[in-house]
Amino acid sequence: KAGVTQTPRYLIKTRGQQVTLSCSPISGHRSVSWYQQTPGQGLQFLFEYFSETQRNKGNFPGRFSGRQFSNSRSEMNVSTLELGDSALYLCASSSDRGGTGELFFGEGSRLTVL
Amino acid sequence: DQQVKQNSPSLSVQEGRISILNCDYTNSMFDYFLWYKKYPAEGPTFLISISSIKDKNEDGRFTVFLNKSAKHLSLHIVPSQPGDSAVYFCAASSKGGATNKLIFGTGTLLAVQP
Repeated sequence: KAGVTQTPRYLIKTRGQQVTLSCSPISGHRSVSWYQQTPGQGLQFLFEYFSETQRNKGNFPGRFSGRQFSNSRSEMNVSTLELGDSALYLCASSSDRGGTGELFFGEGSRLTVL
Repeated sequence: DQQVKQNSPSLSVQEGRISILNCDYTNSMFDYFLWYKKYPAEGPTFLISISSIKDKNEDGRFTVFLNKSAKHLSLHIVPSQPGDSAVYFCAASSKGGATNKLIFGTGTLLAVQP
């Protein structure tokens, strides 16, 4: 069974640009979550999608957005990039409707903003 | 406001000895707790979990203890092996909501010395 796939793995952008990251969940998983990992901050929840609907959202500015498609694949977008957006962005999928928290993570997309 | 705290950024243990990783939380609504392990350049992988109705859960060399009155949980690894060297994240969720949102701690880097 293929795992969670994230693309691209690495990317470099400059301030003010926008970026789109993609996530393909494990086959059959309908829940996709996004997390930002920065040094010293751990993993911070961005948002979660279930069956194409945003089910929950973290405390990030509106520059961070996402969506989920009918095949459960998800994308997240960051507009007007800032230096502080440099981070590892992790996608996780789950078959659960909610609550048990056993998430399966991808390897992440490492974004560097110059 | 860090609702899940891992106050030890790093821990070094000799091979064969016990590793004890600690985690504190502040939100009494949390009722499900998990530990994830992360190797460099990989996504976090689920290790073990515990529901708030229990105070202990074992899985092979890994045991998680939960002290609800102290809002504290710990992960014990016995015996520790060099392959256990990784960053360990504690996470918490509230099962009451239909969501897979997890609140993570900042992680503890475990180094198991041969």
